[in-house]
Amino acid sequence: GAGVSQSPRYKVAKRGQDVALRCDPISGHVSLFWYQQALGQGPEFLTYFQNEAQLDKSGLPSDRFFAERPEGSVSTLKIQRTQQEDSAVYLCASSSTSARGNEQYFGPGTRLTVT
Amino acid sequence: SQELEQSPQSLIVQEGKNLTINCTSSKTLYGLYWYKQKYGEGLIFLMMLQKGGEEKSHEKITAKLDEKKQQSSLHITASQPSHAGIYLCGAVDVTQGGSEKLVFGKGMKLTVNP
Repeated sequence: GAGVSQSPRYKVAKRGQDVALRCDPISGHVSLFWYQQALGQGPEFLTYFQNEAQLDKSGLPSDRFFAERPEGSVSTLKIQRTQQEDSAVYLCASSSTSARGNEQYFGPGTRLTVT
Repeated sequence: SQELEQSPQSLIVQEGKNLTINCTSSKTLYGLYWYKQKYGEGLIFLMMLQKGGEEKSHEKITAKLDEKKQQSSLHITASQPSHAGIYLCGAVDVTQGGSEKLVFGKGMKLTVNP
């Protein structure tokens, strides 16, 4: 069975450009998370979806970051007017239910470099 | 907010040696995940602990959660080059939506020399 997939795997953007990062969760998984991992750091929570509803976006660092999951499956993280501090690996994770104690399955990440 | 401190920050061992990684929380842990990450790859789930005093093992890796649920350790027996990577502990925290998110430590980089 397929795991969580993310695309592109690598993205280089010039400062000021907009980027869109895609996450395909495991089929049927209700919960979807986005995390940001800076170099040498652990992942940090950005936002959480339960089906198509974005229930928590408290970790989004600025209003330049926007995420959506319109049909409750694929999710897109969009970053507008990218800045150098946005350079990081963006990880997507999905979980089968919204109940507690369920393992989060992580994708390989998208490495974003802003020049 | 919850913070996790991992120690040591990095470790180089000879193949065959045992090692222990620690993860200490600033608050009581309601769940603790251990993941392994290799460069350029996502996180691979190792184990999840919830109860004080709980211990789980898989192959040569054993994870424990102390009785007070503020510290966890990961022990690798007879390390192999395949064990090399970054080990991350993640504490369960509750999202505004009522589900769980993970708060991670900075990770511990393990190198195993043949």
